[in-house]
Amino acid sequence: EPEVTQTPSHQVTQMGQEVILRCVPISNHLYFYWYRQILGQKVEFLVSFYNNEISEKSEIFDDQFSVERPDGSNFTLKIRSTKLEDSAMYFCASSSLGGGHEQYFGPGTRLTVT
Amino acid sequence: RKEVEQDPGPFNVPEGATVAFNCTYSNSASQSFFWYRQDCRKEPKLLMSVYSSGNEDGRFTAQLNRASQYISLLIRDSKLSDSATYLCVVNPATGRRALTFGSGTRLQVQP
Repeated sequence: EPEVTQTPSHQVTQMGQEVILRCVPISNHLYFYWYRQILGQKVEFLVSFYNNEISEKSEIFDDQFSVERPDGSNFTLKIRSTKLEDSAMYFCASSSLGGGHEQYFGPGTRLTVT
Repeated sequence: RKEVEQDPGPFNVPEGATVAFNCTYSNSASQSFFWYRQDCRKEPKLLMSVYSSGNEDGRFTAQLNRASQYISLLIRDSKLSDSATYLCVVNPATGRRALTFGSGTRLQVQP
């Protein structure tokens, strides 16, 4: 069964550093997403991406964040200058063009900012 | 009012029991509805979509009441492996794909 993969599984970084989280969506999916989950809180939407551009973003997704599809398989989330409050689990998800908009999630990257 | 509201639980039930979870959502224009399960520190996994006519998948039955803005999940014959947090998830508007998650209801099935 095809699945979304993410690397690394855990990233530790110092405040102010840049991090890039990587995702490989399901191969025939055309919509890609990033969500985050702060420990003990609910999953929150960050951004969706379709046809090589951002289609939606939340208030959380400010200028510190960017997304990119650098090649035909990877989808990345860059956090430019990390803050302590960016510590969270970051999930990538993907969905197909049609259907009921079901989104399939990767295993996540745990980001710890010290 | 929260966009998606769930009873946090925990629900502690014996194996074989039937358990029901409820969820309410605030946006009457919401289009798509889902139940996901999440194990501790893992990703949300799609359990089932929820359709207006109600739908069943094995031991799981989901219902949607648009008039009351209410979604339910029924689990019959609970297994130990059903222990997880169940997330009520809503796609709030036509043309948008961002999902809004509830905080989840924790289920613990005991032997």
